[in-house]
Amino acid sequence: GESVGLHLPTLSVQEGDNSIINCAYSNSASDYFIWYKQESGKGPQFIIDIRSNMDKRQGQRVTVLLNKTVKHLSLQIAATQPGDSAVYFCAENMNTDKLIFGTGTRLQVFP
Amino acid sequence: DTGVSQDPRHKITKRGQNVTFRCDPISEHNRLYWYRQTLGQGPEFLTYFQNEAQLEKSRLLSDRFSAERPKGSFSTLEIQRTEQGDSAMYLCASSFKGPPVNEQFFGPGTRLTVL
Repeated sequence: GESVGLHLPTLSVQEGDNSIINCAYSNSASDYFIWYKQESGKGPQFIIDIRSNMDKRQGQRVTVLLNKTVKHLSLQIAATQPGDSAVYFCAENMNTDKLIFGTGTRLQVFP
Repeated sequence: DTGVSQDPRHKITKRGQNVTFRCDPISEHNRLYWYRQTLGQGPEFLTYFQNEAQLEKSRLLSDRFSAERPKGSFSTLEIQRTEQGDSAMYLCASSFKGPPVNEQFFGPGTRLTVL
């Protein structure tokens, strides 16, 4: 069935280092992918998205890479800061506007 | 603050009681979504509206669940005869249908605890 999964449940990084969060998706028909950040007690917050006709997209300190061949998505955060500590979800969409989320990766930033 | 508000933020109820949650989307958004999120999991789609029309319902939305968006603005999600398995965070999101993408903005959620 449809699924979006994450490789690592928890990622610990030192402040100032770069973080890479990975995600595997199973449905090759998905054409839109989004990364969300969720802090404790809050709803998911949009970080960055990418359409299936792109391989890479950059935002402010964040980059999303899409490898359609192996159905893999990654989120790179440059110069990770304590405020980046949260759970990160990737989500996919197949032109239905219904988002399918993975289980999330917790990013912990230590000084 | 994304501009999507939900009320209440927390609800504790006894098994068998009915509960109703409200979502106020961003005013110009014509699409409204409900998701459910359990601890340690990603949100799961429940249903969504375009204006006042309910376009899709997940199989997760049992007969005890009903959602409305009567005037195409705010929406309510009602759970009848609550069960302990209904305990979760209920998230609302809104978006504007149109190219190139339909970015969904999430509210803070309503955390339901069924005792």
